[in-house]
Parts: sequence; C-alpha cells; structure tokens
Amino acid sequence: QKEVEQNSGPLSVPEGAIASLNCTYSDRVSQSFFWYRQYSGKSPELIMSIYSNGDKEDGRFTAQLNKASQYVSLLIRDSQPSDSATYLCAVAGTYKYIFGTGTRLKVLA
Amino acid sequence: GAGVSQTPSNKVTEKGKYVELRCDPISGHTALYWYRQSLGQGPEFLIYFQGTGAADDSGLPNDRFFAVRPEGSVSTLKIQRTERGDSAVYLCASSSTVGNTEAFFGQGTRLTVV
Repeated sequence: QKEVEQNSGPLSVPEGAIASLNCTYSDRVSQSFFWYRQYSGKSPELIMSIYSNGDKEDGRFTAQLNKASQYVSLLIRDSQPSDSATYLCAVAGTYKYIFGTGTRLKVLA
Repeated sequence: GAGVSQTPSNKVTEKGKYVELRCDPISGHTALYWYRQSLGQGPEFLIYFQGTGAADDSGLPNDRFFAVRPEGSVSTLKIQRTERGDSAVYLCASSSTVGNTEAFFGQGTRLTVV
C-alpha cells in the first residue's frame, strides 16, 4: 500500500461545478496535511493546509480532514478553467512530507 | 529572497558527468528539503536538512548523490557519474521549522542526462 494515495484522474467537471478531490494516507501518526496545485511544467504551489479534523475554508477552496478514516479531501467551488491542473496531496509526520501521485483536474468551459 | 530560488532552471549533461544543483531557501527558513519528480509522479523525497546537518538522507537513491548545506542557508545537490535514469525535475522546498508546517517549493531544476 502506498503511503499517500490519490486517484490519478483525469477528473473532468464543467465550469461552475464543485470539484471534489480525495486522498487517503496510511500512517496514523501523520499530523499535518497539505494540498498543492501544480500546473504543467511548473513546480507545486501550496494552496491549503489542514491540521485538525473538520473543514477549513479559504475562498473557493475547502479542505476536509478525517483522521479516524485517514482521509483528506479538497473541494473547489465554482470551478474555473484556470483551476485545471494536477492537485497533489501531501502528508507530514515528524518532519518529512510524503506526496501522492496527484489528481489531474480538467475544468471544461 | 521572496521565495525559494533554484539554479539552474535547466541542465543538460552527458552521461557520466558531474552536476551541481543549487537551492536558496526563503530567508529565515531553517528546514530545507530536496525532492525529485518524474513525469506523472508526485515529488519523491531525497534529503532533508535542519540547519546545517542532513537530518535524513534516506531518500538518496545511491552514493552518487550527495547534498550539503554548509552555512545553514544555501544547499547544493551533487550528482556524480550521472546516468540517464537521473533525468527528472529536482525540486527544493523550505519551511520555517521542522515538519508540520507549510513548505514552499522553488521552480525546480530540470535535469536531462543524454
């Protein structure tokens, strides 16, 4: 089992819809969780961090964490074509960040 | 600086040559990470520094890879006797403290071994 798992996609959603991206992790001692956006040919850009169970909202983005289920998700409301990118889930324990392979999101105009 | 800076942006080298990749972290960030990313994959951990010391180098693939951070700021990833399989994007990230905090990436160095 991979330490951080994501569906590679592509996930296609129409413009204006909600995109839901999911991530599961295997290490129960993980403490911090992050979502990065990566455009093709660019480096990862941090968009959300979450440390406690529940929801955290920032603009059109909502991160959700359920430590009991070892599950993290990212919701993107009112999806725009500019949101089309690969979204990487990262999980941190004591010091190291472990990344999933990313989910490719395509927002269709 | 304002963000993490990596140089060069692109490096093409011949098989068997030696290369150095440089990372300048965000000012004041004590933790520095090197990752490698191949096409279609997530970043793969290589090595992590807290200050000047390599706290964990378990991700370095073999002894051809080495990294230093002599003054606790700029870091250099060194690859000896490069192989075509070393071709990838090498990413550097920094964070203000050890783990569990937000890490920010540089723009990466695309290494191509021909």
